[in-house]
Amino acid sequence: KAGVTQTPRYLIKTRGQQVTLSCSPISGHRSVSWYQQTPGQGLQFLFEYFSETQRNKGNFPGRFSGRQFSNSRSEMNVSTLELGDSALYLCASSSLAGGLFGSTDTQYFGPGTRLTVL
Amino acid sequence: AQKVTQAQTEISVVEKEDVTLDCVYETRDTTYYLFWYKQPPSGELVFLIRRNSFDEQNEISGRYSWNFQKSTSSFNFTITASQVVDSAVYFCALSEGSNFGNEKLTFGTGTRLTIIP
Repeated sequence: KAGVTQTPRYLIKTRGQQVTLSCSPISGHRSVSWYQQTPGQGLQFLFEYFSETQRNKGNFPGRFSGRQFSNSRSEMNVSTLELGDSALYLCASSSLAGGLFGSTDTQYFGPGTRLTVL
Repeated sequence: AQKVTQAQTEISVVEKEDVTLDCVYETRDTTYYLFWYKQPPSGELVFLIRRNSFDEQNEISGRYSWNFQKSTSSFNFTITASQVVDSAVYFCALSEGSNFGNEKLTFGTGTRLTIIP
């Protein structure tokens, strides 16, 4: 079974531009989560989508947005890029339908997209 | 609010030594999940283990073992007979049960483990 894939792997943008990152979950997984990893703030949760609906959201400004398509693929968009947006953006997928205590499911991560903002 | 603390920023041990990575968590929920992930230099987070709050049994998987103690809010990870391939950053993470299961992970700051040949 193929793992989580993210494209592109590397990206260089300049301040003020916008960027779109893509994530394809493991086949059959319907939940996709996004995380930002920086040396200063560590790994932080951005948002999570399930069946094309955003279910959870972290503490990030409105410049960060996302969406999920009917095939569970997800995109995240960052508008008006700032230097501080330089980070590794990780996507994770899981098949958990929601709130079922005792499930053995978990999140599996992709290789990430490394975004550099100049 | 939930919080995960990994007090050990960096650890170096000589190959074949045992090493324990500490993780202390805070949560107000009675239902929660704990995780360990490994991040090698390639950057991808590799899932190692998942525990729910009602399962305090220790677990062993090959050279890896985990000690979950609710009384001290700790979920420590031990590597026995360490190998150079174990060199990576290890993250402990927490998800509260109210978050539909696993989907909103709070990570610790990570422990960089270096195994010296």
